[in-house]
Amino acid sequence: DARVTQTPRHKVTEMGQEVTMRCQPILGHNTVFWYRQTMMQGLELLAYFRNRAPLDDSGMPKDRFSAEMPDATLATLKIQPSEPRDSAVYFCASGADGTLTGNTIYFGEGSWLTVV
Amino acid sequence: KQEVTQIPAALSVPEGENLVLNCSFTDSAIYNLQWFRQDPGKGLTSLLLIQSSQREQTSGRLNASLDKSSGRSTLYIAASQPGDSATYLCAAPTSGTYKYIFGTGTRLKVLA
Repeated sequence: DARVTQTPRHKVTEMGQEVTMRCQPILGHNTVFWYRQTMMQGLELLAYFRNRAPLDDSGMPKDRFSAEMPDATLATLKIQPSEPRDSAVYFCASGADGTLTGNTIYFGEGSWLTVV
Repeated sequence: KQEVTQIPAALSVPEGENLVLNCSFTDSAIYNLQWFRQDPGKGLTSLLLIQSSQREQTSGRLNASLDKSSGRSTLYIAASQPGDSATYLCAAPTSGTYKYIFGTGTRLKVLA
């Protein structure tokens, strides 16, 4: 059963520390998304990759956030330095655009981040 | 810029009722629209995807419709069950892309 895998599932860290979240998209998928979910803002798109190239990261605070895809099986989201307002659930999702299957996107279980 | 709105924000119904969840979007030049379900503490699960050329898509007790000209989609749930209790989100892409923008969701509670 193919699924998007995210690590860590839960992270508690102190303000100022670096946080790295990892995502393994479904094999064969060529699009990867990073979303952040909070009670106040709902689901916000942070970054969007297609064929490993970043297409849009306009939703991401550039001064402290960075997203990369070192290879087709790994996407990373890094926060440095972390702040309490970064506390949220971070979701990775992947899809296969342009296919006859209709571009359904599949979500991981999320990384629950708490910055104290 | 795509904006997605969902009404109502919350809904509580007795078991067995048929119900309609609404989603509206501002940019109608979309490839498709997706409906998702999210259970507490979990990720999102895809329910239905409607291509821009379709008007409806069905899966079991779920039926989703799409009216691009009016910028609206509805999710119809027939014969609701307590297991349907969850948050339902719709997502529409920004025109010409597969960059999905989500609504804030409808929190559904089906009472036994």
